[in-house]
Amino acid sequence: AQTVTQSQPEMSVQEAETVTLSCTYDTSENNYYLFWYKQPPSRQMILVIRQEAYKQQNATENRFSVNFQKAAKSFSLKISDSQLGDTAMYFCAFMKQWVSGTYKYIFGTGTRLKVLA
Amino acid sequence: EAGVAQSPRYKIIEKRQSVAFWCNPISGHATLYWYQQILGQGPKLLIQFQNNGVVDDSQLPKDRFSAERLKGVDSTLKIQPAKLEDSAVYLCASSLSGSEKLFFGSGTQLSVL
Repeated sequence: AQTVTQSQPEMSVQEAETVTLSCTYDTSENNYYLFWYKQPPSRQMILVIRQEAYKQQNATENRFSVNFQKAAKSFSLKISDSQLGDTAMYFCAFMKQWVSGTYKYIFGTGTRLKVLA
Repeated sequence: EAGVAQSPRYKIIEKRQSVAFWCNPISGHATLYWYQQILGQGPKLLIQFQNNGVVDDSQLPKDRFSAERLKGVDSTLKIQPAKLEDSAVYLCASSLSGSEKLFFGSGTQLSVL
């Protein structure tokens, strides 16, 4: 069974600084996706960035980038130039193809990030 | 494009009462998911529909939870009777068939007293 582990329950960072959130996962699958989702107080989960396992190049989205280490089963999120609006819960998620053309997701326990003014 | 709609936003009930949550996915999205998110934890899948058929309900406590998706569009999740440990946020998500991208609603926060 797949598991996703986020070992940092809470983190804080000064505005404009850089912070890295950690995520490790366990799977025997070869084809899968990894995601980082942001959940602000409004509760709506928002996709931050995604990585296909077959791609060696690390994904980037503006201030957000990942360090994907497939052999180590590690998938960390780096937020550069942190902004107050980045304050939220961040969830790492593993996804694989499931039945009937659907996908199965497993989420980590989350990291609460607070950006300090 | 309208997002995933959920209601109510908040619900407070006493244990042993029943409660129902409603979700309307994005138009055209064949796959619908119900997740339970207990405070301090990540979302846990309760049930997954493909159109109006159940794909996965292995983690749904079937003695008290039920869900349906009539006509393959909107869905309801019911708890009867509720227990204290059912206090959580219930998130609905949808996706296009064959797409890995999930779209989430804002969830229903349930408090069982």
